[in-house]
Amino acid sequence: DAKTTQPPSMDCAEGRAANLPCNHSTISGNEYVYWYRQIHSQGPQYIIHGLKNNETNEMASLIITEDRKSSTLILPHATLRDTAVYYCIVRGLNNDMRFGAGTRLTVKP
Amino acid sequence: NAGVMQNPRHLVRRRGQEARLRCSPMKGHSHVYWYRQLPEEGLKFMVYLQKENIIDESGMPKERFSAEFPKEGPSILRIQQVVRGDSAAYFCASTTGRETQYFGPGTRLLVL
Repeated sequence: DAKTTQPPSMDCAEGRAANLPCNHSTISGNEYVYWYRQIHSQGPQYIIHGLKNNETNEMASLIITEDRKSSTLILPHATLRDTAVYYCIVRGLNNDMRFGAGTRLTVKP
Repeated sequence: NAGVMQNPRHLVRRRGQEARLRCSPMKGHSHVYWYRQLPEEGLKFMVYLQKENIIDESGMPKERFSAEFPKEGPSILRIQQVVRGDSAAYFCASTTGRETQYFGPGTRLLVL
């Protein structure tokens, strides 16, 4: 019952930018978009989050469309260690997060 | 600056036994979430607790599963009379409140 839709898998060449899309057409005005990733079977790692404006941190950039119905996570220079499953999540009012299947990103040499 | 800690990291139980999973939140965090992940699937929300209170347990199975977060000590997820279908990775996450959740490394439960 995730509120987001992501492609199941993507490939990216090492050193290139990885652009991971996410659709969240039913998002409410006060709900945040969060991105996490899970490497192998480790615990999910927080990447970035945003509400309306684009955000950037040391790991990635988050671009949210003006209507907030979709967003893109950008890893500017992907490395082999960025190979992981990336989850786009709309955080609910109770702070609960509904994970979908995510996008399996494979960074290739 | 320790992160979220979970123990044990791996737990093997026979059918009918009890499993106790512990989660120590990050320092200063008083909210804990538990998630379950079956192989090749995403995480599924189970329960949300604040110190001494269950806030949302809508994802918890109605029987055999319980959770607590006492005033002192870690949060505990208890599974009574385990069955093979309980085999999964269980993750907890902590937060100060309505902020970013930070996850622990998980407990892998295997029921024989």
